[in-house]
Amino acid sequence: EIVMTQSPLSLPVTPGEPASISCRSNQSLLHVNGHTYLDWYLQRPGQSPQLLTYRGSNRASGVPDRFSGSGSGTDFTLKISRVEAEDVGVYYCMQALQSPWTFGQGTRVEIK
Amino acid sequence: QVQLRQWGAGLLKPSETLSLTCAASDGSFSGYYCIWIRQSPKKGLEWIGEIHHSGSTNYNPSLKSRVTMSVDTSKNQFSLKVNSVTAADTAVYYCARGHSTSGLDSWGQGTPVTVSS
Repeated sequence: EIVMTQSPLSLPVTPGEPASISCRSNQSLLHVNGHTYLDWYLQRPGQSPQLLTYRGSNRASGVPDRFSGSGSGTDFTLKISRVEAEDVGVYYCMQALQSPWTFGQGTRVEIK
Repeated sequence: QVQLRQWGAGLLKPSETLSLTCAASDGSFSGYYCIWIRQSPKKGLEWIGEIHHSGSTNYNPSLKSRVTMSVDTSKNQFSLKVNSVTAADTAVYYCARGHSTSGLDSWGQGTPVTVSS
C-alpha cells in the first residue's frame, strides 16, 4: 500500500501569519488520466474530518481561499495564507489513487 | 451540504459482529460511493472500504475477510458489518460520501465503537 508521510507533526502558528504542511508519498500519485489523487482534510477538535482540497489543488465547496493545495508526483503542500483561530485542528493528506486509500499521520495545528 | 447520519451499536464483546448504517439527509448517494473509515489512536485514519450505489464494493485487504458492505437502495441506506471483532477493532467509525476524483465531501458524525469483554 502507498505510505503517506506528513511533516511537521505539530505546527504552532500565529494568527495572520502563513502556514505550510508537507505530505510525501512513497509512489507517484499521478493517474494515467493526468489527475493527481491527493486530498487534504481538516479535523477540528471533536468533529469529523472535512474536505479542504481534492485532486491536489482543487478547493472544495465552501472552503476559504486562504487554503491552497499544490504539488505533484510524490510531493505535496497545503498552505494557509493567513491563519485564523478557526483553523486549529489536525490536517491529514490522503491518497485515493490506489486501494487501499491511505492517510498521513496528521499535522496538529495550534495557535501560539 | 449533504448531512450524513450514521447509527449502530457502540459496545460489543469480542467475537460479535459490528453493524453500522449510514444515510444521507437528502438521499443523494446516487453516482457516489459510500466510504467507511475508522479512526483509532494507534492506527490513525484507516480506510475500511467503499460501496457504490450500484452495489459494487472494494475492501481493504487487511479487513477483507471480515467486512461486508451493502446498500438498501429503497431506503438509500448503506451498511457496514465487521464480524469476529476484537479489541483491535475499537475505534470511531465514519461513513463518508465521495469518489476518488472528488474527495470525501460529506462525513457522518462518527460512531465510537468499543470492543470489550
